[in-house]
Amino acid sequence: QVQLVQSGAEVKKPGASVKVSCKVSEYTFTSYNYMHWVRQAPGQGLEWVGAISPSAGNTAYAQKFQGRVTVTRDTSTSTVYMELSSLRSEDTAVYYCGTDLTVWGQGTLVTVSS
Amino acid sequence: QSVLTQPPSVSAAPGQKVTISCSGGSSNIGTNYVLWFQQLPGTAPKLLIYDNDKRPSGIPDRFSGSKSGTSATLGITGLQTGDEADYYCGTWDSSLSVGVFGGGTKLTVL
Repeated sequence: QVQLVQSGAEVKKPGASVKVSCKVSEYTFTSYNYMHWVRQAPGQGLEWVGAISPSAGNTAYAQKFQGRVTVTRDTSTSTVYMELSSLRSEDTAVYYCGTDLTVWGQGTLVTVSS
Repeated sequence: QSVLTQPPSVSAAPGQKVTISCSGGSSNIGTNYVLWFQQLPGTAPKLLIYDNDKRPSGIPDRFSGSKSGTSATLGITGLQTGDEADYYCGTWDSSLSVGVFGGGTKLTVL
């Protein structure tokens, strides 16, 4: 069973950037169609952020985050990254990665506070 | 405002059956497979249904999924108190080239 292990919680000030990592536990990393990033603000529902094709590196982003989010991958370490810039308090959320949205990481809490 | 529409809450008694609807459009549910997720408090979402009606290994057959046109439905039979959770539908939107989710449905087992 594949496992996704995400980096630890982050506390950032408004205007800063955060980079969250997600390591996939198996060598078939490039066999997935997309690695997705989804976030969940406190007490709110799921919100799709973006995705990357592990093999080709093609990316797709929600229009809401265009220009602020960058998703990258490192095939040598089977790791996907999500960087969100110009952080504001509304970005406080748990960020999840998922392989084709079927298997999910444990989540990373990003808190934006002055 | 979510692209996919779900009822905010549903409830039923233990042992009963409940259905959760998910309504979308031609570019999302009408074109692509639907996923259903269960999220228990404080935990990551867990896949219940993929490809509209398939269950991953380990998911009991009390959970079922179906799709018709631009709507999908999750069914849960033999309700248990442990089924109390938030349920989300999700899919890809081919027109917007983005992932989309429903707003979530809170299931209460009375």
